Amino acid sequence: QSVLTQPPSVSGTPGQRITISCSGSHSNIGTNTVNWYRHLPGMAPKLLIHSDNQRPSGVPDRFSGSRSGTSASLAISGLQSEDGADYYCAAWDDSLTGPVFGGGTKLAVL
Amino acid sequence: EVQLEQAGEEAKKPGESLKISCQASGFTLTDFWIGWVRQKPGEGLEWMGSIYPEDSDTRESPSFQGQVTMSVDLSINTAYLQWSSLKASDTAFYYCAREIVELGPPALNWFDLWGQGTRLTVSS
Repeated sequence: QSVLTQPPSVSGTPGQRITISCSGSHSNIGTNTVNWYRHLPGMAPKLLIHSDNQRPSGVPDRFSGSRSGTSASLAISGLQSEDGADYYCAAWDDSLTGPVFGGGTKLAVL
Repeated sequence: EVQLEQAGEEAKKPGESLKISCQASGFTLTDFWIGWVRQKPGEGLEWMGSIYPEDSDTRESPSFQGQVTMSVDLSINTAYLQWSSLKASDTAFYYCAREIVELGPPALNWFDLWGQGTRLTVSS
């Protein structure tokens, strides 16, 4: 059981905009910033968004993040077939003194 | 090139010991925290713990305390994760990652560079 809650799966068609939600509590998302990672099984995870809405160099502006209260979301616009992957949210948890992850959301591009 | 290099696969029997490595290149380990993240088959990512190579300070998830040991060898810019007695339930992918930590509030914390992972299979 993951500390942060994400939907197990979402789907979209090429060109569409989708969002992935991430729900937590006061000790993590309610107080600290949220990060998003993309992961293809067996590969190195990749940082997509840090500090709620900051994109590392090289991440296209199709990816955006936001946080409000104890929830956060990742939006992907102009969906492309190569966006199909698992997406994880994460945030520092004050009780754990470390990061907690969501259970992951599998994005299918139909 | 800035990267973290991990061995691809390890196959062990229950009760055996193991030390997996994470070698940094293109940057100095002592400038960052290094975290370890587990992914069990069919499950999500789970933070195990982190080490600050400059002084070997560690932070551990309660779920993994006493189960693994983190260490570093600064002479070869390498971090390690070690088990003294493996169990079948340790079968998983293990990733090392460079961790940014700025305690707040709000705390800023993310993994900006990941290794390819070591796939560990523990089976008799």
